Amino acid sequence: AQTVTQSQPEMSVQEAETVTLSCTYDTSENNYYLFWYKQPPSRQMILVIRQEAYKQQNATENRFSVNFQKAAKSFSLKISDSQLGDTAMYFCAFAHSNSGYALNFGKGTSLLVTP
Amino acid sequence: NAGVTQTPKFQVLKTGQSMTLQCAQDMNHEYMSWYRQDPGMGLRLIHYSVGAGITDQGEVPNGYNVSRSTTEDFPLRLLSAAPSQTSVYFCASSTTWTGNEQFFGPGTRLTVL
Repeated sequence: AQTVTQSQPEMSVQEAETVTLSCTYDTSENNYYLFWYKQPPSRQMILVIRQEAYKQQNATENRFSVNFQKAAKSFSLKISDSQLGDTAMYFCAFAHSNSGYALNFGKGTSLLVTP
Repeated sequence: NAGVTQTPKFQVLKTGQSMTLQCAQDMNHEYMSWYRQDPGMGLRLIHYSVGAGITDQGEVPNGYNVSRSTTEDFPLRLLSAAPSQTSVYFCASSTTWTGNEQFFGPGTRLTVL
């Protein structure tokens, strides 16, 4: 079974600064997908960024980027120019075809962006 | 497109009662799944389906049943509700054609007394 570990239960960053959220995972599979999801107080799950394991290039989406280290099984999320609207729970997740691409989540990191 | 819809949004049950949480998607996604979210635990997979007529268990399946008679619908049944099933339940769907991004419903908050 795959496990996903987020070692930072809570983090805080000032507006306009950069913050990095950590995620490690454990799997014996070679081809899989990794995701970061955001959950604001509204409870809605929102995809932030996606990485296919077979792609060496790190994914980027505007202010969000990842540092994907396949050998180290590490998948960190960097948020640049943090905004107040980035305040939310952030979940790292793993998916593979042997479970219908259903997600295996970490326990989450609560990010607070302060003025 | 309505995306993924879930009903009801809120529900209160008494111990021992049964009920069905409804989930539907109109995106013709082949994959659907149910998760529960408890404080400090993240989201945990209950059951998933890779297509109509095919379901399988996730991490925490006990006390729940699912079926997938159509591509669109994936109901979750609580057979005999217990206080430990108090949680927020999310349904999601995905397809390989869009990189397996899971599209989530708005969630159902269930309280079992």
